[in-house]
Amino acid sequence: EVQLVESGGGLVKPGGSLRLSCVASGFTFSSYAMTWVRQAPGKGLEWVSFMSSGSTYIYYADSVKGRFTISRDNAKNSLYLQMNSLRAEDTAVYYCARGLGYCSGGSCYSGILFQHWGQGSLVTVSS
Amino acid sequence: DIQMTQSPSTLSASVGDRVTITCRASQSISTWLAWYQLKPGKAPKLLIYKASSLESGVPSRFSGSGSGTEFTLTISSLQPDDFATYYCQQYNSYWTFGQGTKVEIK
Repeated sequence: EVQLVESGGGLVKPGGSLRLSCVASGFTFSSYAMTWVRQAPGKGLEWVSFMSSGSTYIYYADSVKGRFTISRDNAKNSLYLQMNSLRAEDTAVYYCARGLGYCSGGSCYSGILFQHWGQGSLVTVSS
Repeated sequence: DIQMTQSPSTLSASVGDRVTITCRASQSISTWLAWYQLKPGKAPKLLIYKASSLESGVPSRFSGSGSGTEFTLTISSLQPDDFATYYCQQYNSYWTFGQGTKVEIK
C-alpha cells in the first residue's frame, strides 16, 4: 500500500524558515516524480513544487520561487521542502504527492498527475 | 498560465441524486484533466485522470468526460460518502486546480 507521511509543520514567525519532510513507503520511491501542493485555510489547492524521479527536472510556482527549495533523498525514501522567508500567505496545509506519468521531450511539466497523496502538514506563519 | 474555472462552487443534493460538476480551461488542454476528492483531515483522492479514465478502486458511479476546454465530472447516484469537495486539475502545462465544488447535503 502506498503511504506518504508529511511532518515538520508548525508555527513560525514571518521571515522565518521551516523544513517539511515526506516519508514514502509501499513503492519504489526513486522511480517516481514527487510534488508538493498546498491548501490555505478556506482556499483551494495550489501546486507548489515538483521534482522528477532523477532530480533532473525541478519546478516551482511563481509564488514560492526563490524562497522554497525541493529536494529528495532516495536512500531514505524521503522528499523535502525547505521554506525560507516565510510570509503570512504561506500559511496552509502542505501535501506531498506521488506523480504518475513520464517526462518527455526534454521536459517534465506535461502529462504527469498526482496519484497518491499524504494527509498533509499544517504550516502557520504568524507573529 | 492555464486557468481552470469550476462550477458551481457549492452544490446541495440528496442521496441518490445525479450530480454534475463542470470545469473549463482557459486554453485547450486536450484530455490532460484530473478530478480529485477532498475531505477534511484526509488525504486527497484521485478519482479520474485523462479526463475520463477511472482510477483503480474508485466506484463506477463516478465518471468524467470532455476534451479541449470543457469537462464534466458526474456522480450517477450520490452516496453518503460522496459529500466532499471536488477539484479539477489540468496537467497539460504545469499544474493548476479549479477553485473547488463543495457537495453538501440538501
